[in-house]
Amino acid sequence: QKEVEQNSGPLSVPEGAIASLNCTYSDRGSQSFFWYRQYSGKSPELIMFIYSNGDKEDGRFTAQLNKASQYVSLLIRDSQPSDSATYLCAGGNFGNEKLTFGTGTRLTIIP
Amino acid sequence: DAGITQSPRHKVTETGTPVTLRCHQTENHRYMYWYRQDPGHGLRLIHYSYGVKDTDKGEVSDGYSVSRSKTEDFLLTLESATSSQTSVYFCAISVKLRQETQYFGPGTRLLVL
Repeated sequence: QKEVEQNSGPLSVPEGAIASLNCTYSDRGSQSFFWYRQYSGKSPELIMFIYSNGDKEDGRFTAQLNKASQYVSLLIRDSQPSDSATYLCAGGNFGNEKLTFGTGTRLTIIP
Repeated sequence: DAGITQSPRHKVTETGTPVTLRCHQTENHRYMYWYRQDPGHGLRLIHYSYGVKDTDKGEVSDGYSVSRSKTEDFLLTLESATSSQTSVYFCAISVKLRQETQYFGPGTRLLVL
């Protein structure tokens, strides 16, 4: 069974610090990975995706992918209280339009 | 919001009754999905569609059926609702960027008494 695993948290980070969210996956065939943010009572919204080994930056967010270790991470720099949410990691394959989601990590930014 | 609406947004129903949830998109995307989200389980795929009248099962399809007679509408039916189907249901569409990327509708909260 294809699995994507995340620490459920909660993860507490002081305002202005770097928040680091981690995700591991079991399917070596997975090629693309997505990070979604979900506020309480709302739907998931896409932050970014990554499919190449290494880092991908978008504003305060950096996604990191290490296929050898089957590890994906999301770094949030200069954390803000508005970043407090649950972050979902998802994995998929090129040509396969289904995603496998982790259960999410709840992040709290402490002012 | 990727042009996705869901209806109803909230519903309370009784065990044994049929329930239909509607997902509507305005941009003619080929792929549409139904997920349920429950504490401790994350998002789980119920059914998905890859075109009009083309659907397939996800990991938690028992007790659910779907139909897609038009590109813009994807219906999820609980044939005989049970309390275990109390959940938040999300519809999603897939948009081709560098690769297929899913965007979610606002969700439907369903309570089965």
